[in-house]
Amino acid sequence: DGGITQSPKYLFRKEGQNVTLSCEQNLNHDAMYWYRQDPGQGLRLIYYSQIVNDFQKGDIAEGYSVSREKKESFPLTVTSAQKNPTAFYLCASSIRFFNEQFFGPGTRLTVL
Amino acid sequence: AQTVTQSQPEMSVQEAETVTLSCTYDTSESNYYLFWYKQPPSRQMILVIRQEAYKQQNATENRFSVNFQKAAKSFSLKISDSQLGDTAMYFCASQGAQKLVFGQGTRLTINP
Repeated sequence: DGGITQSPKYLFRKEGQNVTLSCEQNLNHDAMYWYRQDPGQGLRLIYYSQIVNDFQKGDIAEGYSVSREKKESFPLTVTSAQKNPTAFYLCASSIRFFNEQFFGPGTRLTVL
Repeated sequence: AQTVTQSQPEMSVQEAETVTLSCTYDTSESNYYLFWYKQPPSRQMILVIRQEAYKQQNATENRFSVNFQKAAKSFSLKISDSQLGDTAMYFCASQGAQKLVFGQGTRLTINP
C-alpha cells in the first residue's frame, strides 16, 4: 500500500538536545512538507521541498533543519535553538508542488 | 498574503442532521485551490473535498458538498445526514503558488 509514514509516534526530548523526526513516502511524490500543530490551532509550515536536494523555509523555520537526499525521505531535525518545540508534527507530500497534499499520521514531540 | 478564517470554533448537531461549516479566505492569486480537511481524534489529516478556483461548479463528495462563492471569497462545507464518525476538527485551507494556508479549525461534534 502506498502512503506516508512518520516515526516515532511519540518522542520525548530533554532540553538542549537535538532530535530527528522521520518522514518516508512511497507515493513517488516530488514535493514534501513539514507542519507544526499546536493545541487548538491550525497547521503552520516549517519547511518544504519541491524536488530532491532542494528545500525552502516556511513560516516558522527557525530552530529546525531538514534534508532531502532521497525522493522518498524528508527528515526534520528539531534543534536546541527551537525555544518551544513541544507540539504535534505532521509530514505531507504531493505529486508536484501546488497539488493536493496527503498527510502522514504525525509525531507528538514533548520536551521534558 | 493568503489568509483563511473559520469563524466557528465549535459546532454540535444531532446525528442525521445537516450542518454547514463556514470559511472565508483572502488571496491575491488568480489560480488557487481550496480544501477541507478532517482531523479526527487520531489526528490524521484526511482530505474531505477540494475545489479548483477556476471551476464555477461546486464540488461534491458523497455527503459532503461545498458552496464556493468566489466573489465573496467564501468556501463553506455542508455535511448532509451527519454520522457519529464525522466528529472531528475540520480545517479549511487555501493552496496558492507558494504554500497551503490553514484556518484555525472548527471542532464538530455529532451527538447520538
